[in-house]
Amino acid sequence: QQQVKQSPQSLIVQKGGISIINCAYENTAFDYFPWYQQFPGKGPALLIAIRPDVSEKKEGRFTISFNKSAKQFSLHIMDSQPGDSATYFCAASSSARQLTFGSGTQLTVLP
Amino acid sequence: DTEVTQTPKHLVMGMTNKKSLKCEQHMGHRAMYWYKQKAKKPPELMFVYSYEKLSINESVPSRFSPECPNSSLLNLHLHALQPEDSALYLCASSSGPGITDTQYFGPGTRLTVL
Repeated sequence: QQQVKQSPQSLIVQKGGISIINCAYENTAFDYFPWYQQFPGKGPALLIAIRPDVSEKKEGRFTISFNKSAKQFSLHIMDSQPGDSATYFCAASSSARQLTFGSGTQLTVLP
Repeated sequence: DTEVTQTPKHLVMGMTNKKSLKCEQHMGHRAMYWYKQKAKKPPELMFVYSYEKLSINESVPSRFSPECPNSSLLNLHLHALQPEDSALYLCASSSGPGITDTQYFGPGTRLTVL
């Protein structure tokens, strides 16, 4: 119930392509869904977040799509750049404020 | 400024040593967290402090001892660690008890236990 399932584990995309990472959850108490980006040797940094009352949120090249009925959400990175190469974690939290992380996706953008 | 700082960046210690990790934030946040992260894994929650009181302890072994001296500082005291405790230790903070608090992470302390 507390799990957030993330796929794929790794993703290789050509520069300029679209990167898509998917997450699914079971716990309907989750009401906040952030995505974090982590570079090697660094802490996770918040990329973008969404609440379940909207189906899509866009910030620059990054878009979250949210499907409440399917309990799924995804991150789309448009025009992917080599500098986007990092590990991406989806997460979910409820009123307890504890973040439940997905297992992570290692993204490599080829130049 | 959304910065959480952590010191030291790297720490190597023996199993009999006592050391401390430090975390600081000046964003006025009232919740602070310790996470442990192994390579290629997501962060695992260890402790949560809310308004300087320990609110969550995720069944962490007693060789890890957290301390929150004030609302800006969070320490993690380490004693008699095991080699499997080697990991990246992350501190995070968030503004308060709101249900959509964003957690801001520090850069972490890379701990190696010999």
